[in-house]
Amino acid sequence: NAGVMQNPRHLVRRRGQEARLRCSPMKGHSHVYWYRQLPEEGLKFMVYLQKENIIDESGMPKERFSAEFPKEGPSILRIQQVVRGDSAAYFCASSQGGQYYGYTFGSGTRLTVV
Amino acid sequence: DQQVKQNSPSLSVQEGRISILNCDYTNSMFDYFLWYKKYPAEGPTFLISISSIKDKNEDGRFTVFLNKSAKHLSLHIVPSQPGDSAVYFCAAIPPGSARQLTFGSGTQLTVLP
Repeated sequence: NAGVMQNPRHLVRRRGQEARLRCSPMKGHSHVYWYRQLPEEGLKFMVYLQKENIIDESGMPKERFSAEFPKEGPSILRIQQVVRGDSAAYFCASSQGGQYYGYTFGSGTRLTVV
Repeated sequence: DQQVKQNSPSLSVQEGRISILNCDYTNSMFDYFLWYKKYPAEGPTFLISISSIKDKNEDGRFTVFLNKSAKHLSLHIVPSQPGDSAVYFCAAIPPGSARQLTFGSGTQLTVLP
């Protein structure tokens, strides 16, 4: 399967711990996007990255959240000192760039904070 | 402030009939709209899109209609099939952003055999 790969599929963290979510884009895609879906809501944009660059982080909470897309390896969404309100499904998407309909989403990581 | 609204959380339709999913938006500057379909435990899948310069786009059983004056778009599925049962999200591209999608809250479509 050459789709967008996210892992882990499920992640349980205690309050105060760190969560690391990984996303490997489709082969040939150099643009990565992270979205969060809270229960009963639509997906909310968090951040848009290209290799080694954050292009738009206007949807990222100002504290505790960070994202990177290194030259080698997957994109990482990092949440420090998690709180119960961080419990959500986190989706990553990738594209070659240029076309809105070129988004391909991964299956998501469901984060549960206990 | 919810700029893209899907006011019907759920919709049930008989197999073979038409499904109509609705979406309203508040930002008249949106210039591109998309529909995504999502099955449980999977990511959203792109379905169909429409530019604001058009009022209709068709792809097989799926047609999207855009009424700019009413700030309303709808997705028609004809004929509906049980495999169409999923959550459907309407999304829009905000002005000034080439990459950021603004999603509605989704409508759960159930197609009854």
